[in-house]
Amino acid sequence: EVRLVASGGGLVQPGGSLKLSCAASGFTFSASDMHWVRQASGKGLEWVGRIRSKANSYATAYAASVKGRFTISRDDSKNTAYLQMNSLKTEDTAVYYCTRVGAPDDNWGQGTLVTVSS
Amino acid sequence: QSVLTQPPSVSAAPGQKVTISCSGSNSNIGNNYVSWYQQLPGTAPKLLIYENNKRPSGIPDRFSGSKSGTSATLGIAGLQTGDEADYYCTSWDSSLSGLVFGGGTKLTVL
Repeated sequence: EVRLVASGGGLVQPGGSLKLSCAASGFTFSASDMHWVRQASGKGLEWVGRIRSKANSYATAYAASVKGRFTISRDDSKNTAYLQMNSLKTEDTAVYYCTRVGAPDDNWGQGTLVTVSS
Repeated sequence: QSVLTQPPSVSAAPGQKVTISCSGSNSNIGNNYVSWYQQLPGTAPKLLIYENNKRPSGIPDRFSGSKSGTSATLGIAGLQTGDEADYYCTSWDSSLSGLVFGGGTKLTVL
């Protein structure tokens, strides 16, 4: 069974930093592109960014709203993807999901809540 | 303003069929796969359709997907009250070099 467990969320002040983790199991993590998607309360889905597999040089891509502030990385030996979030803004408050968007066995898991507030 | 355009809401009676449209452009739907997700209240999104028209294991054939040009459509037949949810389309956008989502469509089963 595919599992994606996001963790590391919490309350952080504006301008602060937070690092999210996504622990994966049930599929070949090292061969998979991994995405982060967020959803503010009562709002739609917003793509945050993606990291490709080693075969694709671990290439990253980011939404304009987070570029330069967020960094996605991965550790294939631990089957884990990461989202480093710096210079956080109140508008970054959302549930953050990791996902293999469009994969036949895609499973988003429960997500992790990030609240940016003073 | 979402890159992909979906109707904010649709409704139909139990047992009926409903379609949800998703309109984009050549840089996304026109040249890339479309996926559809269902989000029941208070839960994470769940994959319904991938690669335009394929259903993951466990998704009933009441759910169907199609694509024509720069638009995609999700069909749900034999509507059930349990189908009440938000539905999202998504596709890679080659010009933006990013994934884009529709704004979501709220389905009400009357």
